[in-house]
Amino acid sequence: QQQVRQSPQSLTVWEGETAILNCSYEDSTFDYFPWYHQFPGESPALLIAIRPVSNKKEDGRFTIFFNKREKKFSLHIADSQPGDSATYFCAASNTNKVVFGTGTRLQVLP
Amino acid sequence: EAAVTQSPRNKVAVTGGKVTLSCNQTNNHNNMYWYRQDTGHGLRLIHYSYGAGSTEKGDIPDGYKASRPSQENFSLILELATPSQTSVYFCASGRTGGRAETLYFGSGTRLTVL
Repeated sequence: QQQVRQSPQSLTVWEGETAILNCSYEDSTFDYFPWYHQFPGESPALLIAIRPVSNKKEDGRFTIFFNKREKKFSLHIADSQPGDSATYFCAASNTNKVVFGTGTRLQVLP
Repeated sequence: EAAVTQSPRNKVAVTGGKVTLSCNQTNNHNNMYWYRQDTGHGLRLIHYSYGAGSTEKGDIPDGYKASRPSQENFSLILELATPSQTSVYFCASGRTGGRAETLYFGSGTRLTVL
């Protein structure tokens, strides 16, 4: 049972476009939703995160949109750059665990 | 900056052999985790720990044991390694019990079981 579903599995966009990565969850006890990125050959690292008291969190070109009613959240990468090419993982956590999605491999073409 | 160190970086083992993966963190974090990463499956939780002396089963614990002898060290043990355990293993540490917790990952161990 996949507790956190992530789509698409892979995504290719042109430089300057907005990349949109999607996640959904089932467990209502999840109360913290981070996104991690992982560059080839490296380990995952925190990119941005949101708590459900907010429906939007921005950090530069990266924005999380959160819909508590539908249990969905998404990462928007504006003005995508080739350096953004990486695998992105959404996650959901509560006091007991941190659960990751299966990842989206993003490729930004120049 | 959080520091999580894994060893070895690469390991080749034979089927039926015993493998121990080690993880050390210098952040004084209470929680430590072991994940495996496989294409199409993302990061799957094997075992985790809330502190020295404690280990908990994650989502895929079968075939693995864990040991947390101290705050700093967390080991993953494969008593009888199988080819299906060929994967990249990541250790991570975090400060609190899941809530608003940032995980800091080690560099990973690539394990090949022949």
